[in-house]
Formats: sequence, structure tokens, C-alpha cells
Amino acid sequence: GEDVEQSLFLSVREGDSSVINCTYTDSSSTYLYWYKQEPGAGLQLLTYIFSNMDMKQDQRLTVLLNKKDKHLSLRIADTQTGDSAIYFCAESIGYGNKLVFGAGTILRVKS
Amino acid sequence: DGGITQSPKYLFRKEGQNVTLSCEQNLNHDAMYWYRQDPGQGLRLIYYSQIVNDFQKGDIAEGYSVSREKKESFPLTVTSAQKNPTAFYLCASSIRSQGAVNEQFFGPGTRLTVL
Repeated sequence: GEDVEQSLFLSVREGDSSVINCTYTDSSSTYLYWYKQEPGAGLQLLTYIFSNMDMKQDQRLTVLLNKKDKHLSLRIADTQTGDSAIYFCAESIGYGNKLVFGAGTILRVKS
Repeated sequence: DGGITQSPKYLFRKEGQNVTLSCEQNLNHDAMYWYRQDPGQGLRLIYYSQIVNDFQKGDIAEGYSVSREKKESFPLTVTSAQKNPTAFYLCASSIRSQGAVNEQFFGPGTRLTVL
């Protein structure tokens, strides 16, 4: 079945880069997503990558996709305290609208 | 001011009572979703609906029911059959992407506590 795995916790110093990793199982996923959740709130889409790309850059965010290893990563450059949140990786399933989410990585940024 | 709203933000119920969580969107989205979030487990899909008057079970539908009588509204009922209902419930909506990017827009969530 479909499964998305992430490490549960990452702690970095303000100004450093953060790298959050994710592995997924469905090789037919067309899009992979990164969502951010701030405390007590819903999720918001940060960025996404189409499965035939291997990299996407959007300001401080860089997404790398290794389709052979089914590995996705999100790099946040110059991490700020406002980046402290839970980050979820998600893959699209089939041709419909379903997404499968990972358990989330808690990012803690120390000043 | 477009968006997706959930009410109430906090809900307390006694064990054995059914409770209905509200979800409304004015984004003109066809698809709507209910997720449950527990610490360390991420989001799990309860039910989803791709069009009015139609909905499908997700991965953990047991003990829950939904209706989709209007495009804007997708209420979730947590029944007494749900063994462990205390959780944070998130509603989301999206366009029907049919293989394209599926950006789901999330509400602020309802924290349900069963006493």
C-alpha cells in the first residue's frame, strides 16, 4: 500500500540550512508536495514538484526528488525562527484527488 | 474573502454522544476532505467527496459519517461507534485535479475532546 515516511524531529540554529527528508512508496505518484503546519492551525501548501523533475527552487526553498530511490527532500536556506513548524511530505495517489501524508517533521529553530 | 472555515475550534463531548463538526468553503471547490490528526501519526483520511451527493470512505472511516448535500458544506459526524474520537480534525477542499496539481486548502481545525 501507499506509505510516506519522514523523520520526526529536526533542530537547527537560526541562519543555518534545514534539510527535511521523506521517502514514499508509490512510484506512480505524479506530484509530491510539502505542506507546513503552524501550531494549532491547518496546513498550507509550501511547494510541490512534478515527478519528471529532479529539482525545484522557490526563493529559500529547494526541493530535490530522486525518483529511483523514491526520496524527496526540502531544503530551507537561512532558516528563521518563523520557520519553526511541522512539515509534511505528501504524494498524490492515482488519477484522482487523494493525497497520502507522512507523519510530519517537527522543525525547531534555535536563536 | 475566500476560504474554508471549521467550527467550533474546540469541542467537548461526553462519551457515547454523537457530535457533528462543521466545514464550509466559499472557494467553489468540488472536492472536500476530512482528516484526523494524532500526535506522531500525521494526517489520516476519513472521508472525501469529489462532487455533491457523492463521497467515498478514506483509510479510517469506521465510526464516522458524512453528507454532501451542498457544494459548500461537508459536515462530519463522529458517532458513538468511534472507539477513540479525541483528536484534531481537519477539513480541506480542492478543485478536481484529475491528474494535475492537487493543492488542498485547509481549515483551521477542530479539536474534539471526549470526556
